[in-house]
Amino acid sequence: GESVGLHLPTLSVQEGDNSIINCAYSNSASDYFIWYKQESGKGPQFIIDIRSNMDKRQGQRVTVLLNKTVKHLSLQIAATQPGDSAVYFCAENRSGNQGGKLIFGQGTELSVKP
Amino acid sequence: DAGITQSPRHKVTETGTPVTLRCHQTENHRYMYWYRQDPGHGLRLIHYSYGVKDTDKGEVSDGYSVSRSKTEDFLLTLESATSSQTSVYFCAIIRGTGTDTQYFGPGTRLTVL
Repeated sequence: GESVGLHLPTLSVQEGDNSIINCAYSNSASDYFIWYKQESGKGPQFIIDIRSNMDKRQGQRVTVLLNKTVKHLSLQIAATQPGDSAVYFCAENRSGNQGGKLIFGQGTELSVKP
Repeated sequence: DAGITQSPRHKVTETGTPVTLRCHQTENHRYMYWYRQDPGHGLRLIHYSYGVKDTDKGEVSDGYSVSRSKTEDFLLTLESATSSQTSVYFCAIIRGTGTDTQYFGPGTRLTVL
């Protein structure tokens, strides 16, 4: 069935290392993807997004890669810091229209060891 | 939290009682959403709104109703709360036009005993 899912529910990395969080999607018609960060007790916070006409997009210390061939999305965090510890969600816009509904993955918990 | 406030932030209620959660935004954005978040299910859309008095159902709308009589307020009502509605509820908005990015409020933790 259609889904947006994450390969790993938990990820533990050493401070200073790079982190890679993965996400799979199954609807080839989806054209917009977002990564969110959620810290304990807070709402999801927008990190970075990418449209399907792009393969890569970079932000501050973060990079999102989109592989449409295998329907795979990844979030790379460079030089991971303790403040990066959180749950990370990918989300998919399936309607293709503004205001379209997002479908969220289950989330990956990132734990950064000092 | 993206110019969104939610009230109350925490509520404990009993089964069968009505509950209304409020989402308030200060920037006159058109699109507003209500989600619930539960362990093992992630974020699931309950209802959404495209404008004043213009609302539609999401994937888990049973047992919930919404109203939007003013641009700035989107209300979520549980007519008769059940224990299965114990959850954390998030409101989200889309800012401006030409974008699909949703920004979330701080959430309301609801416990139904």
